Amino acid sequence: DGGITQSPKYLFRKEGQNVTLSCEQNLNHDAMYWYRQDPGQGLRLIYYSQIVNDFQKGDIAEGYSVSREKKESFPLTVTSAQKNPTAFYLCASATGPNQPQHFGDGTRLSIL
Amino acid sequence: DQQVKQNSPSLSVQEGRISILNCDYTNSMFDYFLWYKKYPAEGPTFLISISSIKDKNEDGRFTVFLNKSAKHLSLHIVPSQPGDSAVYFCASFLYGQNFVFGPGTRLSVLP
Repeated sequence: DGGITQSPKYLFRKEGQNVTLSCEQNLNHDAMYWYRQDPGQGLRLIYYSQIVNDFQKGDIAEGYSVSREKKESFPLTVTSAQKNPTAFYLCASATGPNQPQHFGDGTRLSIL
Repeated sequence: DQQVKQNSPSLSVQEGRISILNCDYTNSMFDYFLWYKKYPAEGPTFLISISSIKDKNEDGRFTVFLNKSAKHLSLHIVPSQPGDSAVYFCASFLYGQNFVFGPGTRLSVLP
């Protein structure tokens, strides 16, 4: 059963700590995306990757980093440089850049 | 500056009636539009799309209308069912760039 899996569902971070959010897909999609959702706002693009070993900054990349070493995996690291990391994070994948995206169920990150 | 706006944060409709969700955009160059539906604790799922060369697209109970001159699209759900209760996002796309999402409208279908 193909899909996109995000883990963990809930994550807590201490001040000054880096945390990594996992995103795995078995849909054989080339493109993968990370979004952030805050209350009352639309999804904002953090990073995206159209192909393995390549990724691009989105609209709000500061304080985040990604890697794309495998087609199936696109982990997001929230660094200590991200001053307001509390949010709901969504990972998505698609067959191409102008195709509907399939989303994971999200990770909610909170600061202790 | 929000390029895609959904001005109604919430909407309540009686079961069996029509639900109309609205979306406005500012960039007249957008050429592809989608609607997503999101249940609590789940990711958004793709519902229906429309290209800028069309003004209507239907899929079962769901119809999307596009008015390019007004830079407005709407999603009609007929008849509305309790299982349609969710948050609905519209998204706009410009070729060569990425999707821009609206903030969402929470639809409640009352039995």
